[in-house]
Amino acid sequence: QSVLTQPPSASGTPGQRVTISCSGNSSNIGSDALYWFHQLPGTAPKLLIYRNDRRPSGVPDRFSGSKSGTSGSLAISGLRSEDEADYYCASWDKSLHGGVFGGGTKLTVL
Amino acid sequence: QVQLQQSGPGLVKTSQTLSLTCAISGDSVSSSSASWTWIRQSPSRGLEWLGRTYYRSKWFNDYAVSLKDRITISPDTSRNQFSLHLNSVTPEDSAVYYCARDLVPYFFDYWGQGTLVTVSS
Repeated sequence: QSVLTQPPSASGTPGQRVTISCSGNSSNIGSDALYWFHQLPGTAPKLLIYRNDRRPSGVPDRFSGSKSGTSGSLAISGLRSEDEADYYCASWDKSLHGGVFGGGTKLTVL
Repeated sequence: QVQLQQSGPGLVKTSQTLSLTCAISGDSVSSSSASWTWIRQSPSRGLEWLGRTYYRSKWFNDYAVSLKDRITISPDTSRNQFSLHLNSVTPEDSAVYYCARDLVPYFFDYWGQGTLVTVSS
């Protein structure tokens, strides 16, 4: 059971906009930043969004993040077939004094 | 460009110690701004933060509460690497293990390639 809660799956057609939610509590998302990673099969997760809504260099602006209170979301606009991957949210938990992750959302591009 | 190269056995016997090493290039294990982290991933537990080591005038460690009695993460400054030791392993510790750099404000911005570790008798 992951500390952060994500929907197990999401889907969309090419060109569409999809959002993936992530819910936590006051010890993690409510008091620290929210991060997003994506993972292709057989590879390590890759940082997609840091500090709630910032993109590392090289990440297209089709990807955006937001946070409000104890939850946040990742939005992908102009969906492309190569966006099909697993997406994970993460944060720091001050009660557990450690990193915490969501269970992951498998995005399917129909 | 930071690179993390993992090494270690892919098969560990039940009750023994799992040991993995992460060699760092492009940064220093003694960096005063980075933390060096181990994370694992399994179908049953998802992504799980295991712990970290970091240097801030002296060495510190943080460990996941669930593993605190079994885990050690240690730096090797002479080789610019850090290691994970997890003792008394069971099949539940079977997972893909990753090392990663934790750098404010990015969190885990660089990852190792992952090592599939199977615990079996």
